[in-house]
Amino acid sequence: VQLVESGGGLVQPGKSLRLSCVGSGFTLSDYAMHWVRQVPGKGLEWVSSISWNSASITYAESVKGRFTISRDNGKNSLSLQMNSLRDEDTASYHCVKGNSFGGAGTVQYFPHWGEGTLVTVSS
Amino acid sequence: EIVMTQSPATLSESPGERATLSCRASQGVGTSLAWYQQNPGQAPRLLIYGASTRATGIPARFSGSGSGADFSLTISSLQSEDSAVYYCQQYYIWPPLTFGGGTKVEIK
Repeated sequence: VQLVESGGGLVQPGKSLRLSCVGSGFTLSDYAMHWVRQVPGKGLEWVSSISWNSASITYAESVKGRFTISRDNGKNSLSLQMNSLRDEDTASYHCVKGNSFGGAGTVQYFPHWGEGTLVTVSS
Repeated sequence: EIVMTQSPATLSESPGERATLSCRASQGVGTSLAWYQQNPGQAPRLLIYGASTRATGIPARFSGSGSGADFSLTISSLQSEDSAVYYCQQYYIWPPLTFGGGTKVEIK
């Protein structure tokens, strides 16, 4: 299993950025997928989750209304559209494969992680 | 939101010693708890799920226990490569999925 993120970089506050993740070594459509972020030197924060069929989509309160998660099972890919970025969104964003296909309230822990892509929001 | 609290923040032990890390939930989470290990500059690695089940390829010196609101991760005989930050995560009630703040394990 391999997860490779891309799309990070330096962006000004209020601007947008789109992160992508491509999975290999497994069938993405069989699993829920997630984004988890980590401020350098700090702890882990769950950002968003999407069930296998996109029927269940959830967000952390800190990003709700600004971020949009989506997936393309045919391309084994996951995306995170980030709008109205703030300084506090600065972090490394990890693409994470769940243990099963389900959405909110189902058993979801994280067997596989990408290395992350760094997003820096600064003027 | 279920708040996860880990203690101690830092733990320093000698090689071969036993290390016990604690994770407490603000409300009961059954056994819906996972533990992760993160080495500097690397992505987290799943160690334990279901509070006590070792993930694939995880050495037997790592063990998890607990249920309800109090959990422990024990490393029975510390090795140099166990120097890392360890996080717990609950998946009992979500959103949001929540992590503890982490425990840094240092090998003397």
